Amino acid sequence: DAGVIQSPRHEVTEMGQEVTLRCKPISGHDYLFWYRQTMMRGLELLIYFNNNVPIDDSGMPEDRFSAKMPNASFSTLKIQPSEPRDSAVYFCASSYSSGAFFGQGTRLTVV
Amino acid sequence: AQSVTQPDIHITVSEGASLELRCNYSYGATPYLFWYVQSPGQGLQLLLKYFSGDTLVQGIKGFEAEFKRSQSSFNLRKPSVHWSDAAEYFCAVGPGNYGQNFVFGPGTRLSVLP
Repeated sequence: DAGVIQSPRHEVTEMGQEVTLRCKPISGHDYLFWYRQTMMRGLELLIYFNNNVPIDDSGMPEDRFSAKMPNASFSTLKIQPSEPRDSAVYFCASSYSSGAFFGQGTRLTVV
Repeated sequence: AQSVTQPDIHITVSEGASLELRCNYSYGATPYLFWYVQSPGQGLQLLLKYFSGDTLVQGIKGFEAEFKRSQSSFNLRKPSVHWSDAAEYFCAVGPGNYGQNFVFGPGTRLSVLP
């Protein structure tokens, strides 16, 4: 298995633009997590899914953030409109029961 | 609420020296505990995990960790550090089979002197 695959690896966008981050979890994993990592706040859980259903989105910072998991092999995290304070590394992770495996992350820069 | 603390923000050791990274947790039930390592510009890699049974668990890259319930600790150890071990190390709790969130500690940055 290729592991958790995220795209793009790097994204630079202008403030106000829509940004979509993509994630392909490991096949057979039933949990999917979206994390954000910054120097100031460390690793923050944004949202997680179980069997494609969102379980807890209490970490999503604002209504500008939304996440979907239309099927077991794909998830998106969308920011609309983006702001400079959204600049961070966004990680997707997937898990089967427990012990999550992380993707390489998407480094988002909003200018 | 569950929480994880890593008291050491930054540790520096000499290559070949032993290493212990501390992790303490607060959790209402039997914890599922993990250690992850993150190299610069990379994602997090799972080093080892503890669910139950033997309290000393072995992981990849020569790392081990010991679960001590009485101390609410899950310290990571390595007998001889290599220069390539320089990275950020994260302790984490959860999720269990009933789907709690992962909670990560703030991380400990390890520097290795030649």
